[in-house]
Amino acid sequence: AQSVAQPEDQVNVAEGNPLTVKCTYSVSGNPYLFWYVQYPNRGLQFLLKYITGDNLVKGSYGFEAEFNKSQTSFHLKKPSALVSDSALYFCAVREVKTGSARQLTFGSGTQLTVLP
Amino acid sequence: DAGITQSPRYKITETGRQVTLMCHQTWSHSYMFWYRQDLGHGLRLIYYSAAADITDKGEVPDGYVVSRSKTENFPLTLESATRSQTSVYFCASSGVSNYNEQFFGPGTRLTVL
Repeated sequence: AQSVAQPEDQVNVAEGNPLTVKCTYSVSGNPYLFWYVQYPNRGLQFLLKYITGDNLVKGSYGFEAEFNKSQTSFHLKKPSALVSDSALYFCAVREVKTGSARQLTFGSGTQLTVLP
Repeated sequence: DAGITQSPRYKITETGRQVTLMCHQTWSHSYMFWYRQDLGHGLRLIYYSAAADITDKGEVPDGYVVSRSKTENFPLTLESATRSQTSVYFCASSGVSNYNEQFFGPGTRLTVL
């Protein structure tokens, strides 16, 4: 079974400061990891993914995430937060498995608020 | 327009009624998914489809029915709506590669009175 934990329901950060949104995962084998963002009354938008290779993944809007296999984590980061980054962020995982059904398991989400 | 669309965007119905939520994608993606989003639960998978005429249950399938006669459409039917099915429903699609991300529709907010 696969699972994702986002330990913080809410993260507040001042504009211009670095931000981190935490995610830890559990899978039997190797993971594919994803971050999505959701703005109010909108669907989820893909930000970035880790498939293999470099542990630091760069994505849209200046976001990046670091894959840490030993800590089973995939934290989302941005060097300088913008007010417009305020949104709900979801981490998701899928196990790398031949013939897998492409099912993603999502965390419960973290509400990021960037204060001006 | 290219992309993934859902209709209706908002729906209010009564307990016991049948409701169908529509999903249409223009990418010819093989995989399509239905999720529900509830506070504190994130997104939970209801049903998914690997191709036309191939569907399978997700985490919370009870009370829902799906079909996929055409690659581009994946309707979700609540056969007899219950209040516990009040939620926001998202459709998503993805390509055939195992590492493809999923692309989400704008969602349908369903209220069952």
